[in-house]
Amino acid sequence: SQQGEEDPQALSIQEGENATMNCSYKTSINNLQWYRQNSGRGLVHLILIRSNEREKHSGRLRVTLDTSKKSSSLLITASRAADTASYFCATGELSGGYNKLIFGAGTRLAVHP
Amino acid sequence: SQTIHQWPATLVQPVGSPLSLECTVEGTSNPNLYWYRQAAGRGLQLLFYSVGIGQISSEVPQNLSASRPQDRQFILSSKKLLLSDSGFYLCAWSGGKNEQFFGPGTRLTVL
Repeated sequence: SQQGEEDPQALSIQEGENATMNCSYKTSINNLQWYRQNSGRGLVHLILIRSNEREKHSGRLRVTLDTSKKSSSLLITASRAADTASYFCATGELSGGYNKLIFGAGTRLAVHP
Repeated sequence: SQTIHQWPATLVQPVGSPLSLECTVEGTSNPNLYWYRQAAGRGLQLLFYSVGIGQISSEVPQNLSASRPQDRQFILSSKKLLLSDSGFYLCAWSGGKNEQFFGPGTRLTVL
């Protein structure tokens, strides 16, 4: 089952611009995570925000979480060509003693020099 | 530091042939292990997870099976591949924290 849904599906911007990706989900969560995937590679964990947190920063990344609206956003500031990748949100739910992740379909970000 | 390996990197197999994909983790003990499949341009679908040796849970009914013969080894298998088994297979591990760490993946093409 797919819980997180990213919006937009694809985003094309110029270097230096900011990129904002959104994620909506349907059920209660323990945490929400964002991952990055370069073409044909594995996923890399970017940031985790817990259900009782509203905002988190990591370098040029800013993540917000609104549990009342069941939505999250990932902002990449001052984008670079190297930021070109697919970005996935994943909702974390406690299940069977571990943190089960359910991934969305992702946003494909293209940053043009 | 922890590392995760998957092999092979790419595989082309005929329909009806068997499959064995291997994943190993180094630098940690008693990790949770996961197998995901990713269809082209899509998100990840969890296939199996394991919280310990010999403990396998299946998330979706399918043509595949998984085994964990050692603490840091996770194997994905099939006795007879179907065309629909084609995809990008990712292994991941997690420890005490909630984030998961992914291997480089195996691209499987069934012809």
